[in-house]
This record gives sequence, C-alpha cells and structure tokens, in this order.
Amino acid sequence: NAGVTQTPKFRVLKTGQSMTLLCAQDMNHEYMYWYRQDPGMGLRLIHYSVGEGTTAKGEVPDGYNVSRLKKQNFLLGLESAAPSQTSVYFCASSPTGPGGYGYTFGSGTRLTVV
Amino acid sequence: AQSVAQPEDQVNVAEGNPLTVKCTYSVSGNPYLFWYVQYPNRGLQFLLKYITGDNLVKGSYGFEAEFNKSQTSFHLKKPSALVSDSALYFCAVRDMGYSTLTFGKGTMLLVSP
Repeated sequence: NAGVTQTPKFRVLKTGQSMTLLCAQDMNHEYMYWYRQDPGMGLRLIHYSVGEGTTAKGEVPDGYNVSRLKKQNFLLGLESAAPSQTSVYFCASSPTGPGGYGYTFGSGTRLTVV
Repeated sequence: AQSVAQPEDQVNVAEGNPLTVKCTYSVSGNPYLFWYVQYPNRGLQFLLKYITGDNLVKGSYGFEAEFNKSQTSFHLKKPSALVSDSALYFCAVRDMGYSTLTFGKGTMLLVSP
C-alpha cells in the first residue's frame, strides 16, 4: 500500500505564480488535512476535509484554496504565491477523524517562493 | 480552544540513559493526546496515543508516555535512549469538534553516542 502520496516533492515558484499540490490516499479514509511546517512553529492546519465534496478552514487558510472532488484526493492550491508561503507542506488522512487512529502522513512537499 | 505546549526546543541525552520529552495540554473535557516522531526529510509517524484507561501508555520503538490529569501533562519517555532515536518529536491534542489535531512546536531529541 502506498498510504498517502504527495506530489511534487520539491518546487520553486516565483512570487505571483500559482500551483497545485496533490495529495492522494489509497486507504479509503474519510478525513484529509493540509498542514504547513515552519521552523519553531510546529505544524499549523491550513484546510481540512471530513468527506468527499467538503472542505473547512484551519488555523492559517489565507492565500490557499482546496478541493476534495474525489474521496481519495485532496488538492491544495496557491493562486498567487508569496515568499511567506515558503514552507514544507504535509498532507495527512484519517479514517473517521483523529479519535482512535491519529493521522497517516505523506512525506511532504518542500516549496520555496522566490 | 485546545492547545499543547512543548517547553523544550531541544533535549540532549547520552545513549543508554533514560529520556523524557515534555508536553502539557489545555483542553475542555477529556483529552485525546498523541505523540508523533519525524525523522529528517520524512513525514510524521505515529508513536502512541492516550484516550482513556491506564495513565501509562506504551507505543512504538520502546517509547511510553505518562498521562497526568492533575498536572495536565503527557510526557514521552524511554528507559534507555538509542542514537537512532534522534529526531523531532511532536505532541498533539484532538480538538473539541473531533475533526482535527493541534500540534505543539516540536522538540528535537539528540542522543549522543
């Protein structure tokens, strides 16, 4: 099983460019999440989804949009990238919320905005 | 709102010695608490969780955590550290809406030979 797969693994963007990060899971999980990791700040929740067709804002949603058109995929979009969005982005999934199972994480996408 | 605090940015311990990585939490109601580990250039991996029951929870790789309700703490422990335990450790708490986890800032554990 692949688990949670994130593409791309690395990307360099110029300020103002747009891009989409893809997260795919093959575990039939209902819940999916996007976090960003910055030094000294831990992981902060950007957006999440509790099922196909649903999305919700997390702690730091500004500058990002998401879509969950298919249960197995959760897309994170940056419409106009800014240097402040330089970060490592992690996708995670959970069967029915992080009650008894916690999360399964992808390996991350390292994004640099210049 | 729920929160967790990891008061130490870094913990240094010699191989073979016991280790403790500290975490305190703030949440309304009964806490669901987790520890994750992140090795360099990797995603986070689940170590253990506390939901209810025994205050001492055992997890992967010989790690355990002690839940203390009166001190609102959930410290990660291991009786004998290994160099390979060197990594970034995150404590997390489930939110009251039961949908997401809130993570601490992380503690870097360095185990010297």
